[in-house]
Amino acid sequence: ILNVEQSPQSLHVQEGDSTNFTCSFPSSNFYALHWYRWETAKSPEALFVMTLNGDEKKKGRISATLNTKEGYSYLYIKGSQPEDSATYLCATHSGAGSYQLTFGKGTKLSVIP
Amino acid sequence: DAGITQSPRHKVTETGTPVTLRCHQTENHRYMYWYRQDPGHGLRLIHYSYGVKDTDKGEVSDGYSVSRSKTEDFLLTLESATSSQTSVYFCAISEGGAGELFFGEGSRLTVL
Repeated sequence: ILNVEQSPQSLHVQEGDSTNFTCSFPSSNFYALHWYRWETAKSPEALFVMTLNGDEKKKGRISATLNTKEGYSYLYIKGSQPEDSATYLCATHSGAGSYQLTFGKGTKLSVIP
Repeated sequence: DAGITQSPRHKVTETGTPVTLRCHQTENHRYMYWYRQDPGHGLRLIHYSYGVKDTDKGEVSDGYSVSRSKTEDFLLTLESATSSQTSVYFCAISEGGAGELFFGEGSRLTVL
């Protein structure tokens, strides 16, 4: 079973602030890294799937980077808005070609208007 | 939105009874997954399928079985439900084995 760690567990930011969270994962046998956004009372929705070391992806005000050699990914939110309030999950596969995706416990973001 | 339907959405049952949760997709995706979500644990994989009649165990498969007799349906069965199986169950699908997951709306199961 992989150990996927996310930090912080939760944070509160003011509207307009930029913020970032971390996902740490084993660097050996890396296959892909996923980020999901999970709003309360809804289902998780994919933000990014990243596979290459140095990958950077962006969707609107949200971006992510990937370092497979050291085993971490950062998720950045620029100019946080109340609608960004959600739990952000990262997940990685248990090995090259594995279908098993192991999730971290998430970072719960609350954006205060 | 991906066409994924879970049923039932809510169920209360008693210890020792069998329970089957159904996941139905209209996307014709090859891969299907069952996860459970519990406080303090996040999402944990129970079983997954990589094709019709092709299934494998995940991280927390004890006490669960699955079947996939056709592409669109993936059934999760608790042969004899226990209180530790009280959870929210999510079905997910993906087009490729490393592709993004699309989740169903979840099924809340309470075992008394």
